[in-house]
Amino acid sequence: EADIYQTPRYLVIGTGKKITLECSQTMGHDKMYWYQQDPGMELHLIHYSYGVNSTEKGDLSSESTVSRIRTEHFPLTLESARPSHTSQYLCASTGRTNYGYTFGSGTRLTVV
Amino acid sequence: GNSVTQMEGPVTLSEEAFLTINCTYTATGYPSLFWYVQYPGEGLQLLLKATKADDKGSNKGFEATYRKETTSFHLEKGSVQVSDSAVYFCALSDLGGGGNKLTFGTGTQLKVEL
Repeated sequence: EADIYQTPRYLVIGTGKKITLECSQTMGHDKMYWYQQDPGMELHLIHYSYGVNSTEKGDLSSESTVSRIRTEHFPLTLESARPSHTSQYLCASTGRTNYGYTFGSGTRLTVV
Repeated sequence: GNSVTQMEGPVTLSEEAFLTINCTYTATGYPSLFWYVQYPGEGLQLLLKATKADDKGSNKGFEATYRKETTSFHLEKGSVQVSDSAVYFCALSDLGGGGNKLTFGTGTQLKVEL
């Protein structure tokens, strides 16, 4: 049973549209992360948060933005989607990093 | 900085073959080490972990031993099944190095055939 939820699982959207990918967790974790995963499999960290009102950019530059108004919720927004944003987006959380992350099932985004 | 190096895939095996996926790491502190598995169309699931040198993590027939002297955490399974076909990621957490993020390897795809 998943304790971290991502919606939608699949999304096909036109260029220029604004989209929000949802990520929620019920474990009370303070640390949350967004990864972009290309078809080549490699994971790229694009955003992370260590608590409410704390957000940072990750290792890979991204045109997306995030917010953390509540502990359990960490949505990712693209103001104007482009075909180059087509990818799988994975959300993760942890209470203690040396215990590892719990991942959501991902959102596969296609921009046409 | 921290880094994780995995053997490149895809690795293709026959069912019941022995599996080894190599993973070596570089870290500034005393990391915890992890193997994650990703089945097609899914997110990553924690497969096993080890938090200190000489620890052996194990789960579902998979195992890996934390070798500090060789900075390695190789994944092994004695007899693979078709259902083990997935992508496997090695990762480390290095709190002693000041980080609160996992460092992932690039992933190794495993294909098991009948």
